Amino acid sequence: AQTVTQSQPEMSVQEAETVTLSCTYDTSESDYYLFWYKQPPSRQMILVIRQEAYKQQNATENRFSVNFQKAAKSFSLKISDSQLGDAAMYFCAYRSLYGQNFVFGPGTRLSVLP
Amino acid sequence: DTGVSQDPRHKITKRGQNVTFRCDPISEHNRLYWYRQTLGQGPEFLTYFQNEAQLEKSRLLSDRFSAERPKGSFSTLEIQHTEQGDSAMYLCASRMGLNTDTQYFGPGTRLTVL
Repeated sequence: AQTVTQSQPEMSVQEAETVTLSCTYDTSESDYYLFWYKQPPSRQMILVIRQEAYKQQNATENRFSVNFQKAAKSFSLKISDSQLGDAAMYFCAYRSLYGQNFVFGPGTRLSVLP
Repeated sequence: DTGVSQDPRHKITKRGQNVTFRCDPISEHNRLYWYRQTLGQGPEFLTYFQNEAQLEKSRLLSDRFSAERPKGSFSTLEIQHTEQGDSAMYLCASRMGLNTDTQYFGPGTRLTVL
């Protein structure tokens, strides 16, 4: 079974600075999807960024980018120019290429300091 | 708002009572998921529907839990004889079904069992 680990329960960053959230996963599969989701306090979980494992190029969405290291099974999220609205729980998630089950990590709580 | 709605948003019940939650997915989404999320943890997969068929169930889904999606649209999750350990946030998510798409989450139903 696949597992997802986020080793940083909490992180903080100064407004306008850059922060990197870590995620590692364990799988024996070669093709899969990886996701970062954001869950603001008392609000719905939303997708931040998605990466297909067969793509070598790292995904980027505006201020959010990932560092996908397939051999190391690492999938970190970099947030540039942090804003107060980035404060939330961030979850890393895995899905097999043909599977339906999403496996989530335990999350990292990100605080943004003004 | 992601377009996925859940009702009720909060439910307080006494141990031993039955509760039922409803999820209305995005209308064109044929995949529907139920997750349980406890405080400080990531969502844990409970069950998955493709249209009206329940195709996968987690070991977390004991016999006291039942889920339905009668016409392939909305879904209900019922918990019979609730226990204090059932207290959690119950999240619903839906997706189109293509391999490259992602889930859209509802706001969740927070269950408290006294």
